[in-house]
Amino acid sequence: EAQVTQNPRYLITVTGKKLTVTCSQNMNHEYMSWYRQDPGLGLRQIYYSMNVEVTDKGDVPEGYKVSRKEKRNFPLILESPSPNQTSLYFCATATGTSSSGANVLTFGAGSRLTVL
Amino acid sequence: GQNIDQPTEMTATEGAIVQINCTYQTSGFNGLFWYQQHAGEAPTFLSYNVLDGLEEKGRFSSFLSRSKGYSYLLLKELQMKDSASYLCAVKDSNYQLIWGAGTKLIIKP
Repeated sequence: EAQVTQNPRYLITVTGKKLTVTCSQNMNHEYMSWYRQDPGLGLRQIYYSMNVEVTDKGDVPEGYKVSRKEKRNFPLILESPSPNQTSLYFCATATGTSSSGANVLTFGAGSRLTVL
Repeated sequence: GQNIDQPTEMTATEGAIVQINCTYQTSGFNGLFWYQQHAGEAPTFLSYNVLDGLEEKGRFSSFLSRSKGYSYLLLKELQMKDSASYLCAVKDSNYQLIWGAGTKLIIKP
C-alpha cells in the first residue's frame, strides 16, 4: 500500500528542545516537501527536495532544517523550537522533476506540534 | 505578489449543488489543483486543470479559464461527507505551488 508516514503524530515540547519529525514514503517519489498549516493561512511550504541530496527553501524556512540522504526519508528538524512554530505539519510526496515541479501530492497524516 | 483568493466559508444543503470559486494572480501558470481536506486530516487530490474548460469526475467537476485567472469546483448531489475544506493551488512559472487559504464547506441536512 502506498504510504507517507509521519512521526510523531502529536508532540508537546518546550522552547529550545531540539526535535525531529520524520517522514518516510514507499512510492519511490523523487519530490518530497514539508508544509505547515495554520488557521486562516492555508498551507505554507517550509522546504522541499527534488531528489537525494537536493533541498531548497520554501516560503517559511526560518527555524527549520531538512536533509535528504535517502530517497524515501525527509526528516524535518527544529533545532531550537519556539512557540511560533506551534502548528500542524504535513509531509507530502509526488513524482516530478526540476523542469516540471511536483505532480499530484500525496500527504502524510500530519503532525500536530505544540511548543510551550 | 502572487495571490489566490477563495471564499473563507460556504454553506449548502444536502442534495443541492455548490460552486466554490478560486481566482488567482500568479507569475505564470502551469496548472491548477483542487484538494479536499476533512477536519484534522490530510489533504487529498480531487482534480487538475491545465487547459481551459471543464473536467468532470463523478459528482465533482472543475472548470478553468486561464484568461480570467479563474477556476471553480462544482459539487453536485451534496452529501454530508462532503463537509470539508477545499484547497485551490496553482503551479507558477517556476513550477512552485501557490496555495489558497481554503474554503470551508458546511453541509446542512
